[in-house]
Amino acid sequence: DQQVKQNSPSLSVQEGRISILNCDYTNSMFDYFLWYKKYPAEGPTFLISISSIKDKNEDGRFTVFLNKSAKHLSLHIVPSQPGDSAVYFCAASAHRGGKLIFGQGTELSVKP
Amino acid sequence: SQTIHQWPATLVQPVGSPLSLECTVEGTSNPNLYWYRQAAGRGLQLLFYSVGIGQISSEVPQNLSASRPQDRQFILSSKKLLLSDSGFYLCAWSGLGTDTQYFGPGTRLTVL
Repeated sequence: DQQVKQNSPSLSVQEGRISILNCDYTNSMFDYFLWYKKYPAEGPTFLISISSIKDKNEDGRFTVFLNKSAKHLSLHIVPSQPGDSAVYFCAASAHRGGKLIFGQGTELSVKP
Repeated sequence: SQTIHQWPATLVQPVGSPLSLECTVEGTSNPNLYWYRQAAGRGLQLLFYSVGIGQISSEVPQNLSASRPQDRQFILSSKKLLLSDSGFYLCAWSGLGTDTQYFGPGTRLTVL
């Protein structure tokens, strides 16, 4: 049973446009959500997170939106740059210091 | 600042041989430590996590084991490797009571 799902395995976007990566979850106990970026043959790097008490968190070009009623979160990257091309993982946690449950990842390709 | 190291970076081993992957964290005390595996084209699977020296939780039944002989050292082992053990192994740490995990550079293991 996959509690965190990224239904799009890949996404292609033109440079300068918006990239929207989506993530759905099933466990209503999740209260903290994170996005990671991963280049091939490297470890994932933390991008941005959001607590369930918020519905939006922004950090530069990256914004995460959380819709608790729909059990859905999304990562917006504006404007997209070729260096953003990577695999993006969403992750969720049910309590502080607990395990993270990861989605399967979405491979973003930003074309020049 | 905190850093996490993994070695070796790549490893090619024959089926039936033993395995030892090492992970160390610097710049923090009492971290939670994690071992993940990413199989080709798939997401991150949590294998083991540890909240303290000698305290190991296993997430999936498998051919691997983990140990934490020191506060900031986490070791992944196997007595006899299987072909299915091939993959990209990632170590991560998080601070006590926090959710954000920080990943090491990973080890690419190929079992032939």
